[in-house]
Amino acid sequence: GQQVQQSPASLVLQEGENAELQCNFSSTATRLQWFYQRPGGSLVSLLSNPSGTKHTGRLTSTTVTKERRGSLHISSSQITDSGTYLCAMERTGNTGKLIFGLGTTLQVQP
Amino acid sequence: DPKIIQKPKYLVAVTGSEKILICEQYLGHNAMYWYRQSAKKPLEFMFSYSYQKLMDNQTASSRFQPQSSKKNHLDLQITALKPDDSATYFCASSQRDTSGNTLYFGEGSRLIVV
Repeated sequence: GQQVQQSPASLVLQEGENAELQCNFSSTATRLQWFYQRPGGSLVSLLSNPSGTKHTGRLTSTTVTKERRGSLHISSSQITDSGTYLCAMERTGNTGKLIFGLGTTLQVQP
Repeated sequence: DPKIIQKPKYLVAVTGSEKILICEQYLGHNAMYWYRQSAKKPLEFMFSYSYQKLMDNQTASSRFQPQSSKKNHLDLQITALKPDDSATYFCASSQRDTSGNTLYFGEGSRLIVV
């Protein structure tokens, strides 16, 4: 089965609404990393979080490794936030070997 | 300017042929990786290199061979191409140290094998 499960699979929001994206993983992890994948396919690193809460701009990442879950909160969504958000876990420290989920596709409408 | 350059961005290859995907990073990182994204599947780790040495290999097939001629280069040679090899191949790099290992990805090389 899938080692990293993301939910929801897709999400439609009105501009200005907040989004909460979930990531659950089936084995222990040393870190979660969140990526944004543009419609054209390229990936942008958003946040890398071993545990606890991290913020950057309108994004907040929370990782609870003991409970094998994480989340990405997007506040005040904008149309340009539309795309796919990928969660990836790293099982052992600093190997760069990430296990990805299938992603949450976000569509923000005006 | 992109700091991780992948070439070509798109290519179409004939079954049985051989192709090389090029990756150069200008972030000064000490580790480089290849990942693959096939349709309807999650991004999948293939290889990791650190200081030009293979660290981890998750690819079952020997048809996939990474090549590192310089510290900031990690090319991927694929031989005897099959239609199942059709995917987008992403190169990534990171600075592996005690403070963390955030990966940065290139824009990908989209391969279609006919």
